Amino acid sequence: DAGVIQSPRHEVTEMGQEVTLRCKPISGHNSLFWYRQTMMRGLELLIYFNNNVPIDDSGMPEDRFSAKMPNASFSTLKIQPSEPRDSAVYFCASFFGDFSEQFFGPGTRLTVL
Amino acid sequence: SQQGEEDPQALSIQEGENATMNCSYKTSINNLQWYRQNSGRGLVHLILIRSNEREKHSGRLRVTLDTSKKSSSLLITASRAADTASYFCATDFQGAQKLVFGQGTRLTINP
Repeated sequence: DAGVIQSPRHEVTEMGQEVTLRCKPISGHNSLFWYRQTMMRGLELLIYFNNNVPIDDSGMPEDRFSAKMPNASFSTLKIQPSEPRDSAVYFCASFFGDFSEQFFGPGTRLTVL
Repeated sequence: SQQGEEDPQALSIQEGENATMNCSYKTSINNLQWYRQNSGRGLVHLILIRSNEREKHSGRLRVTLDTSKKSSSLLITASRAADTASYFCATDFQGAQKLVFGQGTRLTINP
């Protein structure tokens, strides 16, 4: 298995532009998580899905952020409009079951100028 | 606020020495996990310990859990340069599937 796949790996954009991050979880995993990592705030959970349904989006910073999971093999995190303070590394992770290890993707490093 | 907090924030030791990192958390848990993150990479799961377990081993890793003190420790024995990374503890939050991560301990192994 290729593991959790994220794209793009790096994204540089200008303030105000729309940004879409993509994630393909490991086949068979039924839970998917989006995290954001910065030096100041560490690793923050933004939203997670179980069986393609959003369960907890309390970590989504504001309405500019939205996430979808149209099927079991694909999820997107969209920021519109983007702001410089959104600059961070965004990770996607997946797992199967109730309480078990999460498998992380390599992350997308987002820079908003 | 963070559920898990690691201590120390940074640790630098000589190759071959043992490294101990601690984690404290605030609420009751079902399990506690430790992850490693190499610079520029995603997190990698190291070990999971359940709330009814007190100690667990995996290779050179030893994890302990004290639920009465709401704390855990990760011991890496006979450290190697390749162990240089950040180490995070993570706990489930109020029985939910989501994990809450601490700020991490940055471990540097000097050759």
